[in-house]
Parts: sequence; structure tokens; C-alpha cells
Amino acid sequence: AQSVTQPDIHITVSEGASLELRCNYSYGATPYLFWYVQSPGQGLQLLLKYFSGDTLVQGIKGFEAEFKRSQSSFNLRKPSVHWSDAAEYFCAASITGGGNKLTFGTGTQLKVEL
Amino acid sequence: GAVVSQHPSRVICKSGTSVKIECRSLDFQATTMFWYRQFPKQSLMLMATSNEGSKATYEQGVEKDKFLINHASLTLSTLTVTSAHPEDSSFYICSARPPTGNDSPLHFGNGTRLTVT
Repeated sequence: AQSVTQPDIHITVSEGASLELRCNYSYGATPYLFWYVQSPGQGLQLLLKYFSGDTLVQGIKGFEAEFKRSQSSFNLRKPSVHWSDAAEYFCAASITGGGNKLTFGTGTQLKVEL
Repeated sequence: GAVVSQHPSRVICKSGTSVKIECRSLDFQATTMFWYRQFPKQSLMLMATSNEGSKATYEQGVEKDKFLINHASLTLSTLTVTSAHPEDSSFYICSARPPTGNDSPLHFGNGTRLTVT
């Protein structure tokens, strides 16, 4: 069955420190991959997406993600975290480019210490 | 950019009543919209696909008679939770995709927090 796994439920980092959120997928073929961020009580905002081509994709708010086919991973990174980055982050996958039917990971709650 | 608006943002209702949630695409037409449900501390689960002018497609395990979906226009889909019970309390989020090509990603509304007392 298709699935997306985010191994870390909670992560705490200090402001200014680097961040990496892990995401692994299990699909028959390489899916389209997405990272979304959700602030408390809000909907989801797309940070970045990977469809094909360059395996390092740049997103909004200084985030980037690297697709590694050999590891079935699509980890999200940010060199220097800001307090405003505290939120829930969801990795998602779809077999279609538009992501019409997204399969979400369980999310990683990011806490930023000042 | 593409905007999806959801209303209301919060609603509290009594058990046994029905609640309607609206999802609008403000600056694009969406022949298809998607309704997700999120339980506390959990991920989003797709409930159904709303199709303009035709019946919605429900995911396995979702009761179509309980969660009525109407997609009457290219910019509006509604989800009605009928005869709501406390276990229906959840965060409901809709999404839609601008018709700018197969690679355009989904845009999400801000969600509706439903509390059934």
C-alpha cells in the first residue's frame, strides 16, 4: 500500500540552528512529493514540491528539500530556523502531478526555542 | 496566487443537528475539490472528492449519507455533516487545484473546527 512516513513526531531546535525533517515514502513508482506547513488552527500552505529533474528543490520561507531515490526519502531542510517557523509540517505524496489525492504523513511538530 | 476560502472557521453545534461548511475557490474555477478530515494530533485523511455537476466520490469508510457533499458551481463546494454526533468533532479542510496544468498543486482552505456538544 502507498504510504508516507514521518519518523519524528516532535522536534525542538534553537532559533538560528539548522533543521532537517525526515520523510520516507513507499510507492510502486516514484510519486510526486510535497511539503506543507500548518500553523495552529489554520489550513495548509505549500512549501515546495518535487516532480522531476533537479533533486534539490527550493521552496518558500528559506526551505529546501532533497529527493533521494535510493533512500525513498524527501527530507526538508532549513539552514537557520526562525521562531516563526514553529508549526506542524506534513510531507505528502501523490501519483499525479497535481496531487489530487494526497497521502499525508502523520506530521512533525516543530518547536523553536528562543 | 490561488486562494481557497472556507467558512465558517469554527462552529459549535448540538448533537443531532446538521452543519454546513462552505469551500470557495476565490480566483479560479475548480471542477474538483477535495475534503479532508484531521483528528487532533493526527494527519489529514481524504474523505471525498467533490465533482462539479455530479456526485461526489467517497473514500472507503466514509458515510456518504452522513457527509453530504454538493458541488453546485465551479467555485463552491459544500460539506454538510448531518445529524452530528460528538465523534464528528474534528477539523475539516477543503482543497482545490487551479486548472493551470497537471503540475499545479493543491491549495487548501484554512479549515473548519467543528465541535459537537
